Parts: sequence; structure tokens; C-alpha cells
Amino acid sequence: EVQLVESGGGLVQPGGSLRLSCAASGFTFNTYDVYWVRQATGKGLEWVSGIGTGGDTYYSGSVKGRFTISRENARNSLYLQMNSLRAGDTAVYYCAIGRGGIFDYWGQGTLVSVSS
Amino acid sequence: DIQMTQSPSSLSASVGDRVTITCQASQDINNFLNWYQQKPGKAPKLLIYDASNLELGVPSRFSGSGSGTDFTFTISSLQPEDIATYFCQQFDNLPYTFGQGTKLEIK
Repeated sequence: EVQLVESGGGLVQPGGSLRLSCAASGFTFNTYDVYWVRQATGKGLEWVSGIGTGGDTYYSGSVKGRFTISRENARNSLYLQMNSLRAGDTAVYYCAIGRGGIFDYWGQGTLVSVSS
Repeated sequence: DIQMTQSPSSLSASVGDRVTITCQASQDINNFLNWYQQKPGKAPKLLIYDASNLELGVPSRFSGSGSGTDFTFTISSLQPEDIATYFCQQFDNLPYTFGQGTKLEIK
């Protein structure tokens, strides 16, 4: 059974940093692209970042230069380093796996709140 | 960025009804369009990929069609467990973008 478990969310002040993690199991991690998608409370879905099987990385314009995605295949893990956080980054962050932009499976999400 | 416009934003229907949601892309996205279901407090779930392909394990009452800029998602006979918000998503171009969602309720 595919499992994706996010962690690392919490309350942080504007300008602060957080590192999200996603632990994967139940499938061959290094054969999938992996992504972060976020959702502000009561709002729609916003793709944040993705990393391919070869390590190529992609970012939305709203986070480029502030967030860094990485993966550690040996640990079946995905990470998102978030710097210079803003109030607008407040959301539930989901990790998802898939192929070429199709998000096959999603974790349950971790809440990031940016507030003073 | 490609804009995805979904309609309606909310919909109330009776059990057994045929339900249709549309999604329009701001430019041609071929058939690079997915549909997701999100139940309250839960993560989204992939239902349809490549505009019309049913994900494994998804009931056959769900279907999708379209190509280019105009797409349709249909539930042939609404069931109580289908109460959720539905999102379309394009993956023709980065950044991947979603429609704003359609909240489906039982009448």
C-alpha cells in the first residue's frame, strides 16, 4: 500500500524558515516524480514544486528563489526547505507522487502557518 | 501561466442524477488534463487522467472527455459518497495549474 507521510509543519514568523519532510513507503520511490502541492484553508490547490527521477527540479513562480525541493532516494524521502516565509505561504502542504504532472497518490498534508 | 476555469463553482443534485462539470483552459492543452476528488478534511484523489482515462479502482460512473481547451467531467448517477469538491488540473505546461474547484452537494 502506498503511504506518504508529511511532517515538519508548524507556526513560524514571517521571514522564518521551515523544512518539510515526506516519508514514502509501499512503492519504488526512485521511479516516481515527486511534488509538493499546497492548499490554503477553504481555497483551491496550488502546485508548488516538483522533482523528477533524475533530480531535475521545478518551482512555481510564487516560491522560486525561496523554496528548495530535494529527494533522498536511499531514505525514500522528499523534502521542501522553505525560507523567507510570508503570510501567503500559510497552507496545508501535501506531498504527492506521480508521473509527468499526474498526481497519482497524495499524503494527508502538514499545516504551515506563517504569522507574527 | 495557463488558467483553468471550472464551472459551476457549486452544484446541488439529487441521488441518481447525472452531474456534469466543465473545465476550460486558457490555451490548448491537448488532453493533458486530470480530475481529482477531495472529500472534506482529506487529501485529493486522482479519478481521471489524460482527460478520459479512469484511474484503477475508480467506479465507472465517473468519466471525462474533451481535448484542446474544453473538458467535461461526468458522474452518471450521483451517489451519496460522491459528495466532495472536484478539481481539474492541466499538466501540459509548467506551472501545473488547477481549476478553482466545484463543490458538489446532495439536494
